[in-house]
Parts: sequence; structure tokens; C-alpha cells
Amino acid sequence: AQSVTQPDIHITVSEGASLELRCNYSYGATPYLFWYVQSPGQGLQLLLKYFSGDTLVQGIKGFEAEFKRSQSSFNLRKPSVHWSDAAEYFCAVVGPNQAGTALIFGKGTTLSVSS
Amino acid sequence: GAGVSQTPSNKVTEKGKYVELRCDPISGHTALYWYRQSLGQGPEFLIYFQGTGAADDSGLPNDRFFAVRPEGSVSTLKIQRTERGDSAVYLCASSLARAGTGELFFGEGSRLTVL
Repeated sequence: AQSVTQPDIHITVSEGASLELRCNYSYGATPYLFWYVQSPGQGLQLLLKYFSGDTLVQGIKGFEAEFKRSQSSFNLRKPSVHWSDAAEYFCAVVGPNQAGTALIFGKGTTLSVSS
Repeated sequence: GAGVSQTPSNKVTEKGKYVELRCDPISGHTALYWYRQSLGQGPEFLIYFQGTGAADDSGLPNDRFFAVRPEGSVSTLKIQRTERGDSAVYLCASSLARAGTGELFFGEGSRLTVL
């Protein structure tokens, strides 16, 4: 069965610094990949998704992610973090042959932003 | 409303009691999902509806958990003989397309505390 691992439980970044959140997946083929953000008191919101094609995908709020098949990774990046980016970030996966199957989420990475 | 609505937002109950959690998806969304999120964990899949039928209920932990969606819109998650381990935030999401092919829109969740 497919799974997703987020190695970092908690990351602190200075405001204005760059950010990279790691995500590794386990699946026999290339799955569909997603990043969601969960801010306090709000529901999960989709940042970006990868299905196929260009391995660098752009999302909302200035985020991007790069799919690397050789590393089974889909890391999330942002060049300059803002204090409002402090939240919990989840990577999710679903197999492309299992379009009727729901997303499987990682355990999440909590991002803190220091001033 | 425009988003996914979940009620109640908070529910405190005693061990052994019966609980119902309601989800009102975005109008026109045919797919509806229930997830459970425990403290420090990512959302854990419970059940997925496509229309009125449960397309995948493989995530329900045991037969104390049951969900319905009789008219293909509102869904109710039912938990019988609640246990302290059932304490979590129960998330509902909906989407236009089948799971994995489109964006999931999440509600803010129902926080269940079993004393």
C-alpha cells in the first residue's frame, strides 16, 4: 500500500528566509501528490498538486514543489517565508490507478516562523 | 454557505454513549470523505462516499463506526459505545471529482472528546 513520510515534525524558519519541507512517498508507480496546509482554526487547504508533466509545480501563496522520481520525493519550497505561513503542512498521496481511493496523508510538519 | 459545514464543532460525551457528527458538503459535490485526526497526526481516512453509496469504507476502525449519506448530500458519522480512544477531530471533505483526481475541500472539523 502507498504511504507518505514527512521526516521533520517541527521546523522553525526566520521570516524572510527560504523554506523546504520534505516529503517521501512509497509506491510502485508515480502517484498523484498533494500538499495541504492547516492553519489554526481553519480547515485543510490545498496548496498544490502533481499529476504528471512538469516536475516543478507552482501553488498558491508563493509555494512550489518539485517531484523527483529517483528520490521518491515531493518537497515543498518557498523562497521567502512570511509570518502568516506558520501552520501545519501535510503531504498526501493517492495512486493513479486508484482514483476512487481517498488521499493518504503524512503526519505533518509544523512550521514556526521567527521574527 | 460556500464551504463544507460540520456540526457540532465540539462534542464532549461520556464513555459508552452514542454520538452523531454531521457534514454538509459544498453544493453539487458528489464525493464526500470522512477523516479522523488525532493530536500530532495527519488526517486518517475513514470512509468515502460517491453519491449515496459508500465507495470505500476500509478506514473505519471497527463496527462501532458507521456513516450514511442517504440523499447524496449531507452525511452523518455515527459512533456507538464511544471509547476514550475515539477522542479526535473528525474532518469532513467534499470534492467534485472522484477521490485523487481533484481538490478536496475540508470543513473545520468536529472535535470529539470522550471522558
